[in-house]
Amino acid sequence: EIVMTQSPATLSVSPGERATLSCRASQSVSSNLAWYQQKPGQAPRLLIYGASTRATGIPARFSGSGSGTEFTLTISSLQSEDFAVYYCQQYNNWLGLTFGGGTKVEIK
Amino acid sequence: EVQLVQSGAEVKKPGESLKISCKGSGYSFTSYWIGWVRQMPGKGLEWMGIIYPGDSDTRYSPSFQGQVTISADKSISTAYLQWSSLKASDTAMYYCVRPFHSSGWWDYFDYWGQGTLVTVSS
Repeated sequence: EIVMTQSPATLSVSPGERATLSCRASQSVSSNLAWYQQKPGQAPRLLIYGASTRATGIPARFSGSGSGTEFTLTISSLQSEDFAVYYCQQYNNWLGLTFGGGTKVEIK
Repeated sequence: EVQLVQSGAEVKKPGESLKISCKGSGYSFTSYWIGWVRQMPGKGLEWMGIIYPGDSDTRYSPSFQGQVTISADKSISTAYLQWSSLKASDTAMYYCVRPFHSSGWWDYFDYWGQGTLVTVSS
């Protein structure tokens, strides 16, 4: 099983600032990496797939980068609605799908 | 519009059985895999398994193999997740999910159900 490790567990950021979230895979997943946002009481929402492609309707302030084992989600200028928990997920092959443990982005 | 609508919250006792459901609409139910994701209280997301309603081909995460059963009834566009004997540790929110692509199940999920909260307590 591929293990996904996210860091930091919690990120304190002021509105308008930049947030950088990391996700590391225990082995290469190529670019088969997605990011989700989850707000309290809601189901997760797809943000990014293919490591860097924004899903439909996702604002341009969200961007993803990386390949292989190291990935980054960047939120260029945090808005109030962006404070949430973010998960990465690898979907590299038929051996299984795995999520990272999540990064909570909170207001500083 | 694609929708995944799940059954309501459940409160059960340890040892009881349970079957929760997820009804798909707005797309060809038999052409897409449909899976289940667990989220324990205050914790992260865990992929449990997935089924192809077209032929009932089912795959499980090793962590959930033998612990749950995933099934589907294509005549009513509904997928199921069931337990034969619940434990307190099964207390969690369960989401059904649909992969983006119609081919292959190792994919990202663009559609999620609203979640079914299962509480197991004596």
